[in-house]
Amino acid sequence: AQSVTQLDSHVSVSEGTPVLLRCNYSSSYSPSLFWYVQHPNKGLQLLLKYTSAATLVKGINGFEAEFKKSETSFHLTKPSAHMSDAAEYFCVVTLPMDSNYQLIWGAGTKLIIKP
Amino acid sequence: DGGITQSPKYLFRKEGQNVTLSCEQNLNHDAMYWYRQDPGQGLRLIYYSQIVNDFQKGDIAEGYSVSREKKESFPLTVTSAQKNPTAFYLCASRSLAGSSYNEQFFGPGTRLTVL
Repeated sequence: AQSVTQLDSHVSVSEGTPVLLRCNYSSSYSPSLFWYVQHPNKGLQLLLKYTSAATLVKGINGFEAEFKKSETSFHLTKPSAHMSDAAEYFCVVTLPMDSNYQLIWGAGTKLIIKP
Repeated sequence: DGGITQSPKYLFRKEGQNVTLSCEQNLNHDAMYWYRQDPGQGLRLIYYSQIVNDFQKGDIAEGYSVSREKKESFPLTVTSAQKNPTAFYLCASRSLAGSSYNEQFFGPGTRLTVL
């Protein structure tokens, strides 16, 4: 069965310092993995996605994530946090291709940026 | 501009009433989805549809109903049988072909409050 675990419900960093949001997955297939961001009372925006090409994936707003199969991880990083990064982030795994397509969602990590 | 629209943005319902949330997309996507989001939780799938006039129950379909009479539209009805309907509802769509076939695109959401 597929599952996604986001290891931290909240992460607090100071502006200008690195960001690390952790995600582990469980999948019996070769997964596709995504990170989405949600600002308060807004819909979700795709940050980046891994679909079995390069293991280091670059996304929007300076974020990137590395797929590590041996660790079943897909952690999201950014070298320097900005106040506008304050939001909730979701890690998502999908079945690779099937007729009953679904996304499996992590519970989310709320990123807090301290001035 | 292509995208997904949801209306209304905020909706208030009295107990015992049915309400319908609108979702329209002009992305020419085949598949559409409804999710419910509660504080501190990831998204949970209510219903999804991969083709007109066909839809499938997700993980939490009880107390909800949908229709898919047109490719562009996937309205969700929250019935009086839904015991705890106060939540943020998100609609999404997906193309079943092309390079972004496993990526879902989200609307801005509808916040439903039961009075």
